[in-house]
Amino acid sequence: DTGVSQDPRHKITKRGQNVTFRCDPISEHNRLYWYRQTLGQGPEFLTYFQNEAQLEKSRLLSDRFSAERPKGSFSTLEIQRTEQGDSAMYLCASSSGGQGVFYEQYFGPGTRLTVT
Amino acid sequence: GDSVTQMEGPVTLSEEAFLTINCTYTATGYPSLFWYVQYPGEGLQLLLKATKADDKGSNKGFEATYRKETTSFHLEKGSVQVSDSAVYFCARSKGNNRLAFGKGNQVVVIP
Repeated sequence: DTGVSQDPRHKITKRGQNVTFRCDPISEHNRLYWYRQTLGQGPEFLTYFQNEAQLEKSRLLSDRFSAERPKGSFSTLEIQRTEQGDSAMYLCASSSGGQGVFYEQYFGPGTRLTVT
Repeated sequence: GDSVTQMEGPVTLSEEAFLTINCTYTATGYPSLFWYVQYPGEGLQLLLKATKADDKGSNKGFEATYRKETTSFHLEKGSVQVSDSAVYFCARSKGNNRLAFGKGNQVVVIP
């Protein structure tokens, strides 16, 4: 299976700790997206990459959040000094990309973060 | 404001019943429209899509028609099964690089 994978699937951490999540996209996809989903809500866009370039960030992505995609393949999302409000499911998606066309996004299983 | 609005509350129905989940979207630009499904413990899966007005997306017995005049993309299935129990999300494209989702509807199908 060559779908989008995410690691870890679950993370429990104490408030104030740093956490890092990893996403491996579908190999031929040049675009990678991060979304956050809280209980009872739909996913909300955080940021996206085209190859290694981070092209857009949502206002939801505070200074404590940083995302990277150093070689244009896998991506990491780091949250520093976690807060209880960061508890959510973090979803990664990937797609092909190009000018003026919206390409279908394929989602991974998500990383569920619980901050205690 | 909200880009995508789904009807409130879970939907509970009996097997073989007709399912409708309402979805409306804000009419900025010419978005593509999607329905995603999330089964328990799994990630989001694309169920169907429509990219322009009057297009009908269909998959696994589900259908939705892109209605520009009513800015709607309602999901329908004529005869649901227990295996259709899941959370269903309506989404629209924003620009060519992000999705905006509705809040989702939990569907529970009782045998």
